[in-house]
Amino acid sequence: AQSVTQPDIHITVSEGASLELRCNYSYGATPYLFWYVQSPGQGLQLLLKYFSGDTLVQGIKGFEAEFKRSQSSFNLRKPSVHWSDAAEYFCAVGANQAGTALIFGKGTTLSVSS
Amino acid sequence: EPEVTQTPSHQVTQMGQEVILRCVPISNHLYFYWYRQILGQKVEFLVSFYNNEISEKSEIFDDQFSVERPDGSNFTLKIRSTKLEDSAMYFCASLREINEKLFFGSGTQLSVL
Repeated sequence: AQSVTQPDIHITVSEGASLELRCNYSYGATPYLFWYVQSPGQGLQLLLKYFSGDTLVQGIKGFEAEFKRSQSSFNLRKPSVHWSDAAEYFCAVGANQAGTALIFGKGTTLSVSS
Repeated sequence: EPEVTQTPSHQVTQMGQEVILRCVPISNHLYFYWYRQILGQKVEFLVSFYNNEISEKSEIFDDQFSVERPDGSNFTLKIRSTKLEDSAMYFCASLREINEKLFFGSGTQLSVL
């Protein structure tokens, strides 16, 4: 069955510390992988996406993610977290480049402490 | 950056009533989507729409749901007879071309009482 698992429901990180949000997927075909961020009262904003090629992809706001096929993972990282990064983060997998008919994970809520 | 606009931001309705959620996609976009997120659960795909017809729909999108692009700018989701379990945040999204970025609206929170 196709699914996305984000094992951490809630993570708290100190401002300036590094961050890693975990994502594992199960998908029958070659996956197209995405990370979205949702701030309170806002829509979903695309942070980055992976289709093929270099397994380390750079996104907006200083985020990056690494695709590891052997582990079926696509973890999101940021070297130094800012207070404005506090939000909900969703990993998603889709069948094509557009990310249509996306399958989302349940999300990880990131809190940033000062 | 261009925006997908959804109205209203919050809609309250009685069980059994019809409700229409409205979306204005980005003007030159061709592909349109509805997703929903029940409180505490994951975002779920409902339906995709292209060239004035549904191109894909999920199991959630049963006969109670319909979509329409009535005037070339709006994209609506209708729920004919709402149920308590339809309470969720509904997100509209649009896309210009298949290899480009999917833009989401900020959502309509539907509360069915």
